[in-house]
Amino acid sequence: DAKTTQPPSMDCAEGRAANLPCNHSTISGNEYVYWYRQIHSQGPQYIIHGLKNNETNEMASLIITEDRKSSTLILPHATLRDTAVYYCIVRTQAGTALIFGKGTTLSVSS
Amino acid sequence: GAVVSQHPSWVICKSGTSVKIECRSLDFQATTMFWYRQFPKQSLMLMATSNEGSKATYEQGVEKDKFLINHASLTLSTLTVTSAHPEDSSFYICSARVDRHNNEQFFGPGTRLTVL
Repeated sequence: DAKTTQPPSMDCAEGRAANLPCNHSTISGNEYVYWYRQIHSQGPQYIIHGLKNNETNEMASLIITEDRKSSTLILPHATLRDTAVYYCIVRTQAGTALIFGKGTTLSVSS
Repeated sequence: GAVVSQHPSWVICKSGTSVKIECRSLDFQATTMFWYRQFPKQSLMLMATSNEGSKATYEQGVEKDKFLINHASLTLSTLTVTSAHPEDSSFYICSARVDRHNNEQFFGPGTRLTVL
């Protein structure tokens, strides 16, 4: 699976949009971009995933560049409860295990 | 959505004892489950892949005789930490792969193991 690069930390004011970037320049054609987050001392939570089109659900939006070498997870109105480590993972849908990098620690403050 | 539970949520044991952690998929069948370990301020590290009815596949550097995995049914996998030592203290997290579209993985809430 392709490797991803994320900034180690980001800050966001409550109510503002949080934009979390991820670079995956070696992504291959059949690999998806997945986003999970982990709130302190809990198991990871699925957020969203996509192949090449932008995706939106009740939690977030995923913007994937046309060349698919990078993506951005957008939390439109961040709350204090969104403070967590966010992981961007690239993999096929073959069902192999998710491999976690270091992720981005998002701190939302009032 | 798919729910995965773990039991216990936390456990404290003496050095040299064995500890069993259960991972259950509550509302779906999972032929494949995964076990992760997470040390403080670190990311999740994959330990092994557990397949129902067959032997688990362990990642490099993970001792299969120390971390016994049993996946006897489509909804239950267990991880037994044998002869636990303080360095085994960690946060153990399981996930289950949904046996339908997209092969999504859903995670349990984790088990905090402290070995004294």
